[in-house]
Amino acid sequence: GENVEQHPSTLSVQEGDSAVIKCTYSDSASNYFPWYKQELGKGPQLIIDIRSNVGEKKDQRIAVTLNKTAKHFSLHITETQPEDSAVYFCAASKISGANNLFFGTGTRLTVIP
Amino acid sequence: NAGVTQTPKFQVLKTGQSMTLQCAQDMNHNSMYWYRQDPGMGLRLIYYSASEGTTDKGEVPNGYNVSRLNKREFSLRLESAAPSQTSVYFCASSGRNQPQHFGDGTRLSIL
Repeated sequence: GENVEQHPSTLSVQEGDSAVIKCTYSDSASNYFPWYKQELGKGPQLIIDIRSNVGEKKDQRIAVTLNKTAKHFSLHITETQPEDSAVYFCAASKISGANNLFFGTGTRLTVIP
Repeated sequence: NAGVTQTPKFQVLKTGQSMTLQCAQDMNHNSMYWYRQDPGMGLRLIYYSASEGTTDKGEVPNGYNVSRLNKREFSLRLESAAPSQTSVYFCASSGRNQPQHFGDGTRLSIL
């Protein structure tokens, strides 16, 4: 099955700086890569996703890049704010009728005011 | 608000007891999922239902059963709870080829 590795496990940045979280996947057939944000006591919330037919996607301060050859994708958050503090998860799947997600182990991001 | 609703939010069980976790979605999604989240391990898929009337095993199905009651509801049952099943359980739903939307979880402790 698919194996998703995520680094780093913890990340602290000063407010206004950028944060980068990296993931690798093992199954070359995976073609859908979402990123979720999880706040304390809540369920994961989708923040951005990318499909394998594009290399980069951006939504305001958040961007995701995908390198299919290297089986590597990354989340970039610019101009970080204290409310960005949360646990972030990457995931990978093969889009079909039901897209079963394989998750990374999470990154706890702390934005220091 | 529309979304995925899980009940109960918290539960404590003794070893050997049984329990059903409930999940309902009001987004008319075809697919529903059950995950467990353990510290340092991310979320792992227990069972999923691609459409009403079908269910399939995920990565970690042992010790669990599921029922897709109708299009809205998907329940997870622990027949004989074990301490290793202490976890946070999340239900999710998705439309065809669409992102998954998650509920806020059920925190289950088994003593």
